[in-house]
Amino acid sequence: GENVEQHPSTLSVQEGDSAVIKCTYSDSASNYFPWYKQELGKGPQLIIDIRSNVGEKKDQRIAVTLNKTAKHFSLHITETQPEDSAVYFCAAPGGSQGNLIFGKGTKLSVKP
Amino acid sequence: EPEVTQTPSHQVTQMGQEVILRCVPISNHLYFYWYRQILGQKVEFLVSFYNNEISEKSEIFDDQFSVERPDGSNFTLKIRSTKLEDSAMYFCASAARLSNTGELFFGEGSRLTVL
Repeated sequence: GENVEQHPSTLSVQEGDSAVIKCTYSDSASNYFPWYKQELGKGPQLIIDIRSNVGEKKDQRIAVTLNKTAKHFSLHITETQPEDSAVYFCAAPGGSQGNLIFGKGTKLSVKP
Repeated sequence: EPEVTQTPSHQVTQMGQEVILRCVPISNHLYFYWYRQILGQKVEFLVSFYNNEISEKSEIFDDQFSVERPDGSNFTLKIRSTKLEDSAMYFCASAARLSNTGELFFGEGSRLTVL
């Protein structure tokens, strides 16, 4: 089955700096890679996703890149703000019924 | 904006007791899921549900767990005889389509504490 590895587990940046979180996956047939943001006491919320037919997708300050050959994808947050502080999870399809396999999460702290 | 709602937000129970966690998915969604998150760890898939039956389940979802959609709106997770290691945050999720074509929407979770 699919296995998703995520690094780093914690990341601390100064406000305004960029943050990069990386994930690798094991199943070369996987074709959909979402990123979720989880704020304290809340459920995960989708912030951006990428499908395997593109290499990069951007939405304002966040972007995701995908390298299918190397089986890794990354989340890039530019001009970080304190409200970006949260736990971020990458994920990949875990089966044929829409379930997702999540990485272990990255706790991002943005210091003002 | 439509949202997935879960009740209770927090439940404390004694080991061996039955627990039912309730979820109201987004109304036009067809695919329903339960995930759990042990404190400080990753979100883990438990079970998916489509067309009134389980479509996929993980190793975690053993005979102590069951799901049902009794009335077309609520989606419930029952743990028959809770164990200490069942203590976790349980998230319900729903999707209009399979996740490789559509977004999975999560509720805010039900925290289960087993004493």
